[in-house]
Amino acid sequence: RKEVEQDPGPFNVPEGATVAFNCTYSNSASQSFFWYRQDCRKEPKLLMSVYSSGNEDGRFTAQLNRASQYISLLIRDSKLSDSATYLCVVKGGGATNKLIFGTGTLLAVQP
Amino acid sequence: DAGVIQSPRHEVTEMGQEVTLRCKPISGHDYLFWYRQTMMRGLELLIYFNNNVPIDDSGMPEDRFSAKMPNASFSTLKIQPSEPRDSAVYFCASSLARGDKSTEAFFGQGTRLTVV
Repeated sequence: RKEVEQDPGPFNVPEGATVAFNCTYSNSASQSFFWYRQDCRKEPKLLMSVYSSGNEDGRFTAQLNRASQYISLLIRDSKLSDSATYLCVVKGGGATNKLIFGTGTLLAVQP
Repeated sequence: DAGVIQSPRHEVTEMGQEVTLRCKPISGHDYLFWYRQTMMRGLELLIYFNNNVPIDDSGMPEDRFSAKMPNASFSTLKIQPSEPRDSAVYFCASSLARGDKSTEAFFGQGTRLTVV
């Protein structure tokens, strides 16, 4: 089983739609969680951290469910510019500082 | 700060040749990561360093791969001999740990390696 699993997509949605991505992780000792965004042929960049209480940044909402070991990202009112690959990232448990990436979910927002 | 700097941006080499990828992390960052990205396997962590010391190299695929960090501002990833299946984009990233929390990892623009 992979340490971090995501649905690869693609998710094809019209502008203005709401779309949600889920991600599961296998190590219950994992401590920190993130969503990164990667545009085509570019490097990954941090979109937002994920906090236990859930957090929101504009149209983006991230949630963490430790009991079920999954993380979610909700994008409201999607824009053409949201088209990218969204990577779920988990910091390893214990003293490790390993950042483990999921394979990413491809989002294509259509006009 | 210029961010994480990787060189070269593109490398095309023949099978059997030695390849050296270079990375300059963000000044002051104490963690450095090497990742490899392919369509099939996504982003795979190869190795990471803390304060120039290799912490976990369990992701290094074979003995043909080696990485060094001689000082806080420079790291190399070497493949010798290279094989076509090593073709991928290799990313270097750096971060600064604060207490027990990870801060954001900043990525370089990557080196696109093609082994023919």
